Amino acid sequence: GAVVSQHPSWVICKSGTSVKIECRSLDFQATTMFWYRQFPKQSLMLMATSNEGSKATYEQGVEKDKFLINHASLTLSTLTVTSAHPEDSSFYICSATTGESYYEQYFGPGTRLTVT
Amino acid sequence: QKEVEQNSGPLSVPEGAIASLNCTYSDRGSQSFFWYRQYSGKSPELIMFIYSNGDKEDGRFTAQLNKASQYVSLLIRDSQPSDSATYLCAVSSGSARQLTFGSGTQLTVLP
Repeated sequence: GAVVSQHPSWVICKSGTSVKIECRSLDFQATTMFWYRQFPKQSLMLMATSNEGSKATYEQGVEKDKFLINHASLTLSTLTVTSAHPEDSSFYICSATTGESYYEQYFGPGTRLTVT
Repeated sequence: QKEVEQNSGPLSVPEGAIASLNCTYSDRGSQSFFWYRQYSGKSPELIMFIYSNGDKEDGRFTAQLNKASQYVSLLIRDSQPSDSATYLCAVSSGSARQLTFGSGTQLTVLP
């Protein structure tokens, strides 16, 4: 149980274009989903927290107009990187929690974004 | 600012040995503590979580928590080459239980 999927697993786009990444909880309802970014040889950095039906809460330094998050249902959250630039190239990972137990987070497989 | 510190490694142990991974955290309000394993190019995989002082064992893995010292550790017994990965310590706090991750310890188990 507690499977989270992400799509696409990798994407290459040109500078200035937008890219949408989907995160789905496959066998549970996710009250909260989180979006992380990980640069090579670095740890995960939380970008934003989203709850179904509400606006996402962004971490300090993360541009909410650039990284659009939509948590439309209890099983789906999307991250759209708008007007992508090469410095946005990174590994984007989502996670989800049921809100039960001790709030352990289950991670999706990640999306490798390369902006050329 | 909430901080989670891990011994940077890299850590190398021979196959069959015990690997010891350590983590300290700064936020005394932290409530839950997690160990994740991350293979290169992959996303983190939950190994264990612990929320009360003491030890918690799951197979070859033992998590230890000392809230007074703000310290959490992970022991891996009978280490296998397949355990070679980066181990991330994460601490949960806040109303939404956000995770703050340490920088990770790279473990190599030598055959």
